[in-house]
Amino acid sequence: DVKVTQSSRYLVKRTGEKVFLECVQDMDHENMFWYRQDPGLGLRLIYFSYDVKMKEKGDIPEGYSVSREKKERFSLILESASTNQTSMYLCASVLHIGVTAFFGQGTRLTVV
Amino acid sequence: GQQVMQIPQYQHVQEGEDFTTYCNSSTTLSNIQWYKQRPGGHPVFLIQLVKSGEVKKQKRLTFQFGEAKKNSSLHITATQTTDVGTYFCAGGRGNKLVFGAGTILRVKS
Repeated sequence: DVKVTQSSRYLVKRTGEKVFLECVQDMDHENMFWYRQDPGLGLRLIYFSYDVKMKEKGDIPEGYSVSREKKERFSLILESASTNQTSMYLCASVLHIGVTAFFGQGTRLTVV
Repeated sequence: GQQVMQIPQYQHVQEGEDFTTYCNSSTTLSNIQWYKQRPGGHPVFLIQLVKSGEVKKQKRLTFQFGEAKKNSSLHITATQTTDVGTYFCAGGRGNKLVFGAGTILRVKS
């Protein structure tokens, strides 16, 4: 079974802090995604990557950046956390578009 | 913004009633996937539809992909309390996997 692991289940950070959310997958997948999930808004795509060092903006990239130095790891960075970034963050991994996406367990981030 | 629209946002049904969620895209999709997220969990893949007009069944769940490959539906017959959760559709477009906003299903026993 594919395993997608997010580094933390719960995080509490202060406004202005730099925050790193890590995601690791163990199945050599090309494509990785970061979404945030908010009530009534579903899953919104922040950034995605289709290869090492390749990244593309999703629908809501403002306030975020990403890093993909190795195929198995996709990091989401909040350069200066703000309270409106309090959310559930989900990482997903896909071999290629058109087959099953596998999700990590999610990181619930609270910015105070 | 959201490129895959999903309705309704929320539905509360009596156990035994049927439930349907609909997914619509403004552009043609190469495929449509459906996921279920249990409360407190993460989305888990249910099924994928690829062909125009395709219909697939999983026990009480029936999935349809429209003829124009722009819409899809998930229908649950005789809901049970184990069906509670959020149901998402997702469409592939280029390198993107775009999700609908999800439909939250609550079942009263």
